[in-house]
Amino acid sequence: AQSVAQPEDQVNVAEGNPLTVKCTYSVSGNPYLFWYVQYPNRGLQFLLKYITGDNLVKGSYGFEAEFNKSQTSFHLKKPSALVSDSALYFCAVRDAGANNLFFGTGTRLTVIP
Amino acid sequence: KAGVTQTPRYLIKTRGQQVTLSCSPISGHRSVSWYQQTPGQGLQFLFEYFSETQRNKGNFPGRFSGRQFSNSRSEMNVSTLELGDSALYLCASSFGGSYTDTQYFGPGTRLTVL
Repeated sequence: AQSVAQPEDQVNVAEGNPLTVKCTYSVSGNPYLFWYVQYPNRGLQFLLKYITGDNLVKGSYGFEAEFNKSQTSFHLKKPSALVSDSALYFCAVRDAGANNLFFGTGTRLTVIP
Repeated sequence: KAGVTQTPRYLIKTRGQQVTLSCSPISGHRSVSWYQQTPGQGLQFLFEYFSETQRNKGNFPGRFSGRQFSNSRSEMNVSTLELGDSALYLCASSFGGSYTDTQYFGPGTRLTVL
């Protein structure tokens, strides 16, 4: 069975500092991993995905994620945080044998001016 | 290209009533999935439709149902509403529904059951 863990409910970072939002996963087959961001009263916006290939995936708004197979992790990163990055971030894995996404519990990122 | 649209955006119902939510996918997308988001349970998969057929279903009671039309638009119905059905219902569309496709989400319908 697949699962996704986001160990931090809340991450605070100062504006201009690098940010990391952590995600670990467990799947029985090949991992298909996704990051989404949710702003208040909005749906989920797609940031990036890992299907295969390079372990460093670049996405929207300057975000990137590093796939680490040995550590079963897919951490989201950004070199310099903006106040506008403050939002709720979800890591997701695609269910093996089906098309639905299985989501982590979310990490609330707050960027402090 | 227009994104995923959901109507209505907000809905207030009372227990025992039924409700229908609508989702229009991105043009050309044939797969539509529905998710429920609540503070307690997080994001949970309801069901997926592809070419008017339900292809996958999550662990929800039969009160939750859906359908997809020939133009790929989808509706979700909840009958005999319960207080616990209060949630943000999100619809997502993808091109063909393969494992590598990206799901793009709509803004959601906020359902409040009183």
